Amino acid sequence: AQSVTQLDSHVSVSEGTPVLLRCNYSSSYSPSLFWYVQHPNKGLQLLLKYTSAATLVKGINGFEAEFKKSETSFHLTKPSAHMSDAAEYFCVVSDLEGGFKTIFGAGTRLFVKA
Amino acid sequence: ETGVTQTPRHLVMGMTNKKSLKCEQHLGHNAMYWYKQSAKKPLELMFVYNFKEQTENNSVPSRFSPECPNSSHLFLHLHTLQPEDSALYLCASSQDLLSRNTEAFFGQGTRLTVV
Repeated sequence: AQSVTQLDSHVSVSEGTPVLLRCNYSSSYSPSLFWYVQHPNKGLQLLLKYTSAATLVKGINGFEAEFKKSETSFHLTKPSAHMSDAAEYFCVVSDLEGGFKTIFGAGTRLFVKA
Repeated sequence: ETGVTQTPRHLVMGMTNKKSLKCEQHLGHNAMYWYKQSAKKPLELMFVYNFKEQTENNSVPSRFSPECPNSSHLFLHLHTLQPEDSALYLCASSQDLLSRNTEAFFGQGTRLTVV
């Protein structure tokens, strides 16, 4: 069965330092993977998605993620954190198994210190 | 703004009340969804509608009753809720059912508190 695990419930970084939010997935087929961001009192917004094209995917606001099949990972990174990046981030896997299923990770809350 | 609007943004209701949540999208999407977001738990899919027809009910208690009168509107009728139903209820839409290449557009949610 497909699943997605976000390895950290909270990540804290200083402004201007790199961001790494980790995501591992389990899938029997060739999944699509997404990262969504949720700012306080807002809905979820798509950051980027991987759909079997280039393994390095660039998204909005300077974020990118790399699909690594051998490691079953899809970690989200950004070279330099900004205060406005403070939010909750969700890794999502979508797969064909048992009919198309979309599974959300539990989320990682990113704190950015001045 | 994502094009998906939810009202009200906040709702406090007693366990014997009846209330409704509303979701509206003007993106021309065919699929709409209700999700429940509780603290420290993954997002839970509740209901899926595709072309106004319910395609998925994820074992949701009958005190939650969805209604989709057309492709642009989705309601969630609430009746005799429990305190553990307090959560953020998110509506989403997508061009077609979520799949490999389809992303969801979310509303801002309704923060529901059951007292």
